[in-house]
Amino acid sequence: KQEVTQIPAALSVPEGENLVLNCSFTDSAIYNLQWFRQDPGKGLTSLLLIQSSQREQTSGRLNASLDKSSGRSTLYIAASQPGDSATYLCAVKKADTGKLIFGQGTTLQVKP
Amino acid sequence: DGGITQSPKYLFRKEGQNVTLSCEQNLNHDAMYWYRQDPGQGLRLIYYSQIVNDFQKGDIAEGYSVSREKKESFPLTVTSAQKNPTAFYLCASTYSHSYNEQFFGPGTRLTVL
Repeated sequence: KQEVTQIPAALSVPEGENLVLNCSFTDSAIYNLQWFRQDPGKGLTSLLLIQSSQREQTSGRLNASLDKSSGRSTLYIAASQPGDSATYLCAVKKADTGKLIFGQGTTLQVKP
Repeated sequence: DGGITQSPKYLFRKEGQNVTLSCEQNLNHDAMYWYRQDPGQGLRLIYYSQIVNDFQKGDIAEGYSVSREKKESFPLTVTSAQKNPTAFYLCASTYSHSYNEQFFGPGTRLTVL
């Protein structure tokens, strides 16, 4: 059974810091891994999608890496801003069913 | 403006009533999904549809029903058989069930009174 874990559950940093959010998964048979952002009471916004054959993807201040063999992904946020405060979710798409399996998220607070 | 719309944003239901949540997309996506989000439990898949007139149960389908008569629409009915329906419901879609990026709507918060 695929399980997705995100550590830490919560993180508070001062504005301007670079930070790393972690995601681990138990089964390497995946199509892709997707990182999302969720603001309180809102839907999910897709940040980055990494296909299983890729090692990383970048969008602006965000960089996501994927190490399928070790079952790990990281989301690197450069020069954090208060507007980055949100919950960040990772999800893996299982290769056998095509279903997305979500982690429980990391809630980030960036203090001015 | 392309995207996924869900209505209503907030919904209140009395016990024993069925309610239907709307999800519409104009992205020309084949696959659509319904998830439920509860505090501390993450997102769980209720139903999904890979193509019009076809749908499959997800991990927590009991007490829910869906239809997919049009490519653009995937309504979810929460029936009186669902024991704990109070939750945040999210609809999503993607071009292809297996490979592509999944996009989400803004959600509907259902509260049972």
